[in-house]
Amino acid sequence: GQNIDQPTEMTATEGAIVQINCTYQTSGFNGLFWYQQHAGEAPTFLSYNVLDGLEEKGRFSSFLSRSKGYSYLLLKELQMKDSASYLCAARNSGNTPLVFGKGTRLSVIA
Amino acid sequence: DGGITQSPKYLFRKEGQNVTLSCEQNLNHDAMYWYRQDPGQGLRLIYYSQIVNDFQKGDIAEGYSVSREKKESFPLTVTSAQKNPTAFYLCASSSSGGAETQYFGPGTRLLVL
Repeated sequence: GQNIDQPTEMTATEGAIVQINCTYQTSGFNGLFWYQQHAGEAPTFLSYNVLDGLEEKGRFSSFLSRSKGYSYLLLKELQMKDSASYLCAARNSGNTPLVFGKGTRLSVIA
Repeated sequence: DGGITQSPKYLFRKEGQNVTLSCEQNLNHDAMYWYRQDPGQGLRLIYYSQIVNDFQKGDIAEGYSVSREKKESFPLTVTSAQKNPTAFYLCASSSSGGAETQYFGPGTRLLVL
């Protein structure tokens, strides 16, 4: 079976750092993806990890531990525009469709 | 501009009516996907196609149908058999041959009258 878990909601303060966790259980593994989705809009791609470790891209970083089935998205220097849902998704193998978690709704407050 | 387009942005369906949602991409991607999103829920896979003239059912295919006659196009028909069609429908595409990123169109919001 396939299962992806992430917290439903989080709140953080403007200028702070927030970490959104994701755990996954899949029959195979060929990559972990993070997407950002603003209300009423389509998801946009943020990051991709397939090997263990940290991938940094500006204010956003993503970490993967394959042995633990665990990933996190780290957002630094939070801005109000970062208020959105963050979707964790995993791919089992090859080019099969991504399996998505239910998303974490992040609210950034002043 | 390269990208994925979906039309219409909003669609209204009457009881017993079939409606078709359009998805077109000019990214030369081989694979295309349809997802459904309900409020507060994640994306659930309806159908996907990895090559022209071939497609597979996803997790919630009942009440839906698709075709893939051209590489650029992957229309989704919501049939009258789908009893709860109100949702946000997202089309995505990716190139083939590995763990390629899926890119999404802007979505179509379907409402039942």
